[in-house]
Amino acid sequence: SQTIHQWPATLVQPVGSPLSLECTVEGTSNPNLYWYRQAAGRGLQLLFYSVGIGQISSEVPQNLSASRPQDRQFILSSKKLLLSDSGFYLCAWARDSYGYTFGSGTRLTVV
Amino acid sequence: QKEVEQNSGPLSVPEGAIASLNCTYSDRGSQSFFWYRQYSGKSPELIMSIYSNGDKEDGRFTAQLNKASQYVSLLIRDSQPSDSATYLCAVNRNNAGNMLTFGGGTRLMVKP
Repeated sequence: SQTIHQWPATLVQPVGSPLSLECTVEGTSNPNLYWYRQAAGRGLQLLFYSVGIGQISSEVPQNLSASRPQDRQFILSSKKLLLSDSGFYLCAWARDSYGYTFGSGTRLTVV
Repeated sequence: QKEVEQNSGPLSVPEGAIASLNCTYSDRGSQSFFWYRQYSGKSPELIMSIYSNGDKEDGRFTAQLNKASQYVSLLIRDSQPSDSATYLCAVNRNNAGNMLTFGGGTRLMVKP
């Protein structure tokens, strides 16, 4: 069966510090991978998606970046965090048209 | 006009009642439709998918799709306090591959 792992679960980082969030998928190959952010009480905002190794599409211009170094690994990064980067970050994978499966999420608080 | 619209709620129903959650979408060529449940502080989980007009039942949940009206709904029968959550409608737009567009979600409160 397919599983998706996302870590860390919570993170408190100072403004200006770097960020690295990792997401890995098991039990499938060549998944479409997505990074979403959900601000408190708000909907899901698509940040990045990837259809293959090294292929990244950005939906929202900001100080975040994403990389896909391996087929089942998706990384979200920032060189310098802003207060506005606080939120609940979700990784998701999809294959065919059967909907997404989300990871457990990372709650990021920038202080 | 938003691509996927939901009433943000909260929708409050008594325990045992039927909860009706609604969603409209703008892309007439949309192919696949999904309902996710998100408990506070948790990630969304897929509870229903529907691909053709009509009703699809799974336990206490029924998804209804009307492509002509661009409308999808979720009915929850015999609502329980444990159903209290935010329900997200998601649509796979035409020619968008596996990309889903999410509505803002409806918060459901089931009162004992």
